[in-house]
Amino acid sequence: AQKVTQAQTEISVVEKEDVTLDCVYETRDTTYYLFWYKQPPSGELVFLIRRNSFDEQNEISGRYSWNFQKSTSSFNFTITASQVVDSAVYFCALSAAGGYQKVTFGIGTKLQVIP
Amino acid sequence: DGGITQSPKYLFRKEGQNVTLSCEQNLNHDAMYWYRQDPGQGLRLIYYSQIVNDFQKGDIAEGYSVSREKKESFPLTVTSAQKNPTAFYLCASRDGRVWGEQFFGPGTRLTVL
Repeated sequence: AQKVTQAQTEISVVEKEDVTLDCVYETRDTTYYLFWYKQPPSGELVFLIRRNSFDEQNEISGRYSWNFQKSTSSFNFTITASQVVDSAVYFCALSAAGGYQKVTFGIGTKLQVIP
Repeated sequence: DGGITQSPKYLFRKEGQNVTLSCEQNLNHDAMYWYRQDPGQGLRLIYYSQIVNDFQKGDIAEGYSVSREKKESFPLTVTSAQKNPTAFYLCASRDGRVWGEQFFGPGTRLTVL
């Protein structure tokens, strides 16, 4: 069975602070995919990143960075110099390899960036 | 532009009535999904479909039904058997050939009065 744990349900930071959102996963599959999505107040989920289980390289995209560590089954997401527009709910998700597999989501972390 | 549409954005129904939520995609994706979102509970999978005329129950399928007669369409019916249907419903599709990310629609907020 697959499981995704996002232990931080809500985080508040002051604008320009860095913030890390934690994601821990469980799976018996040797090949799998991890995802992060952003859900702004409008409700539609926006894809941020995909990482496969064979690629442990960290990824940086502008102010966003991701740290994937198989040894600790974690896929953490860091926002550097946070902005008010980063305020949203962020979801971590897990899927077995094979495009038709179901995707398991964490409960989400609500991030509030205070100006 | 390719994408997923869900209609309507807001839906109100009386208790005991069945209601059908629409989901259409023009991305040529084989796989489609329905999720329910409640405050503090994340996204829970209701049904998913890998191919036309085939679908599987997700984690919370009771009280819901789906059909997949066309590749582009995956409507969800919330039946009167669903005990607590008021929620935000999200539809998604996925290109199974590349094991890619899901694309989500804007969602439908259903309120049962």
